Amino acid sequence: ILNVEQSPQSLHVQEGDSTNFTCSFPSSNFYALHWYRWETAKSPEALFVMTLNGDEKKKGRISATLNTKEGYSYLYIKGSQPEDSATYLCAHRGGNQFYFGTGTSLTVIP
Amino acid sequence: SAVISQKPSRDICQRGTSLTIQCQVDSQVTMMFWYRQQPGQSLTLIATANQGSEATYESGFVIDKFPISRPNLTFSTLTVSNMSPEDSSIYLCSVGQGNNQPQHFGDGTRLSIL
Repeated sequence: ILNVEQSPQSLHVQEGDSTNFTCSFPSSNFYALHWYRWETAKSPEALFVMTLNGDEKKKGRISATLNTKEGYSYLYIKGSQPEDSATYLCAHRGGNQFYFGTGTSLTVIP
Repeated sequence: SAVISQKPSRDICQRGTSLTIQCQVDSQVTMMFWYRQQPGQSLTLIATANQGSEATYESGFVIDKFPISRPNLTFSTLTVSNMSPEDSSIYLCSVGQGNNQPQHFGDGTRLSIL
């Protein structure tokens, strides 16, 4: 992996469903992995900064895991609500470079 | 977390003109960044704004096209020069206190070039 890749590109889920999506990044020269939530017409909001292999972080119904050896992070949302609808961005800091993925656009249907 | 005021929030500009975007932070911050998100693309770092010296530009971005000022630790400007339709994007400033700290973003400037 040379760049940060996120999948899926978009996702529609029913209210109450749990969901997850993936961020893949170069496993060499790793410093940190960031997750952000970007709602339309607002600024990106930081969710997590993860630095250690095996890290798990949680914020309410949202949690994330990190595997630096294989170069991926998962973001989980439990019991999705309409207010969770947003684009979720991950960003990889490796060396002097900071790359964002293209994001996963989540729509939660009431 | 820092409160960031970015303006203008949106603009529609004519081809060949220039626009300066301002970013004001309510506290002194070490690192300020300028990003661009073109339609359907990822958020791309344009440059790191350095206080009192020239900005550090990422590959593919040059000072003549995107001059940046940072006169102090709370303020920065990005100018988009000689605009063309390809410059239509969302431009964001962000601040951070280190590689392992989250970045905080302004609300963005939505720019359309006719």
